[in-house]
Amino acid sequence: TQLLEQSPQFLSIQEGENLTVYCNSSSVFSSLQWYRQEPGEGPVLLVTVVTGGEVKKLKRLTFQFGDARKDSSLHITAAQPGDTGLYLCAGSSGTYKYIFGTGTRLKVLA
Amino acid sequence: EAQVTQNPRYLITVTGKKLTVTCSQNMNHEYMSWYRQDPGLGLRQIYYSMNVEVTDKGDVPEGYKVSRKEKRNFPLILESPSPNQTSLYFCASSLTGYNSPLHFGNGTRLTVT
Repeated sequence: TQLLEQSPQFLSIQEGENLTVYCNSSSVFSSLQWYRQEPGEGPVLLVTVVTGGEVKKLKRLTFQFGDARKDSSLHITAAQPGDTGLYLCAGSSGTYKYIFGTGTRLKVLA
Repeated sequence: EAQVTQNPRYLITVTGKKLTVTCSQNMNHEYMSWYRQDPGLGLRQIYYSMNVEVTDKGDVPEGYKVSRKEKRNFPLILESPSPNQTSLYFCASSLTGYNSPLHFGNGTRLTVT
């Protein structure tokens, strides 16, 4: 069974701090996606990475896919209260199944 | 507006009373899927459908049924709900289901007493 482990599970930081969330697996994925979920809503896609070693930037968010396509990280620079939410990684191995990580709940304090 | 619509948003029922949660998408997506979200367990896939009349089991299919008679609709059926099916359910769709991003509905919170 493929598993995606996210760390940390919870993170509470002050506005302006930097943080990194990790998503790790022993399995290889053909692509990996990051989503953010806010209370009462479904997850919303942030980014998809498909190539080993790929780095994508979305404003203050930087996403990296590991060289071996088994892991990924999300780095947020100068976090803001609007970044508060549940961050989920999801791996696709190209078999119509998506495996989700358990999530990182981020709270940014003003 | 492109969206995935689930109904109802909230549902409280009793053990054994059959229920259906509807899901509809207006993006002409081939792929649709159901997930349940539980604290500490993340999102787990229940069933998915690659196209009309084509469905397959996800990781936690026991106690659930699905059907895909039309491209836009993918209802989730609980024939005899039990308390361990109390959860937050999400429907999602994507263009191909193969490395393509998922678009989620806003969820259905189900409580089975």
